[in-house]
Amino acid sequence: EIVMTQSPATLSVSPGERATLSCRASQSVSSNLAWYQQESGQAPRLLIYGASTRATGIPARFSGSGSGTEFILTISSLQSEDSAVYYCQQYNNWPPVFGQGTRLEIK
Amino acid sequence: QVQLVESGGGVVQPGRSLRLSCAASGFAFNNYAMHWIRQAPGKGLEWVAVLSYDGVNEYYADSVKGRFTISRDKSKNTLYLQMNSLRAEDTAVYYCAKGAGRDAYNPLDFWGQGTLVTVSS
Repeated sequence: EIVMTQSPATLSVSPGERATLSCRASQSVSSNLAWYQQESGQAPRLLIYGASTRATGIPARFSGSGSGTEFILTISSLQSEDSAVYYCQQYNNWPPVFGQGTRLEIK
Repeated sequence: QVQLVESGGGVVQPGRSLRLSCAASGFAFNNYAMHWIRQAPGKGLEWVAVLSYDGVNEYYADSVKGRFTISRDKSKNTLYLQMNSLRAEDTAVYYCAKGAGRDAYNPLDFWGQGTLVTVSS
């Protein structure tokens, strides 16, 4: 089973600044990597799929990059509503596991 | 618009059974794989099970294999999760999610709001 490791566990960034979240796979998942946002008390929402394609309705300040085993989610010009937990998930191999999440706090 | 509405959660004793439902609307239910994902209180997301668009291929996490069964009723646009021999560690919010394609190897593009299952004596 592939292990997805996210870092850091918690990130605190000021409004208007950039946040960089990392996700590492224990073996290559090609570009079959998704990012989800989960606000407090809400269901997760798909942000990015195919490592770099924004889902419908996702603002352009969210961007994804990487392939193979190393992936990055970048949120530029942070806003207060971006406070959430962010999860990566690989869907290249069985089972389609999630990372443990990164909690993003807006200062 | 796509809507997924889970129901059937509640408090159940260890060893007992429960069936969750997920009513789908706003998309061609028969064309997409459907998943169950759970989240224990204060914890991360754990993928549970998936059923292919045609109901032929089903896969489970090792933690629920042999105890949980995923199924779908095409006539009712509804996904189910039959949970037997429940354990305390099955306590979680259970989400149903739509796959972006016909098989398991796709991202989850829409999620329901979840239903809470509490296993306790």
